Amino acid sequence: SQQGEEDPQALSIQEGENATMNCSYKTSINNLQWYRQNSGRGLVHLILIRSNEREKHSGRLRVTLDTSKKSSSLLITASRAADTASYFCATDASSSSGSARQLTFGSGTQLTVLP
Amino acid sequence: KAGVTQTPRYLIKTRGQQVTLSCSPISGHRSVSWYQQTPGQGLQFLFEYFSETQRNKGNFPGRFSGRQFSNSRSEMNVSTLELGDSALYLCASSLMILADDNEQFFGPGTRLTVL
Repeated sequence: SQQGEEDPQALSIQEGENATMNCSYKTSINNLQWYRQNSGRGLVHLILIRSNEREKHSGRLRVTLDTSKKSSSLLITASRAADTASYFCATDASSSSGSARQLTFGSGTQLTVLP
Repeated sequence: KAGVTQTPRYLIKTRGQQVTLSCSPISGHRSVSWYQQTPGQGLQFLFEYFSETQRNKGNFPGRFSGRQFSNSRSEMNVSTLELGDSALYLCASSLMILADDNEQFFGPGTRLTVL
């Protein structure tokens, strides 16, 4: 089952605009990660934010984490046509037995950046 | 450094057959995780292997199995294929088991079609 739900499911913007995607989850997490996937290919890791962090930057990416609301957002500034892809949040949480951790992915946001 | 490789990239099988997929992690990585991606269920965790031992398993039937060899290469096997097993199977490797700064690197995936 998916822990993360992403919003919106699809987003279409013009090149140069900012894109914001949101992710909500249900259980306590160790960290939250964002990935990008181009057209049915493998996933590319974008950024990881730990549960004790509130905000993190990497280039044009800004991620926030609110553990009290169990939500995260990914902001892509000054978007480019090459940013067109599906974006997934993934929560790193302990399994129910507590013996192992696993990544649980959200349903993804399809971002289209129009030139 | 070479990335994660998966073979074959595409596969067509018929119901009832079995299939074996292979994943070679990045050199030096000891953890390999497998995921299934379908349009309906999204990305779902199958299992994780570390040092030839299955560390964690997702909610999949026993028809799905895997193993890891001493060189960290991993295989997953699906027996008695069903139409619903059609999916993109992704393998990811990481240096160690999931930890706070542990990034997973994904391969390009194997596209399995069951007819």
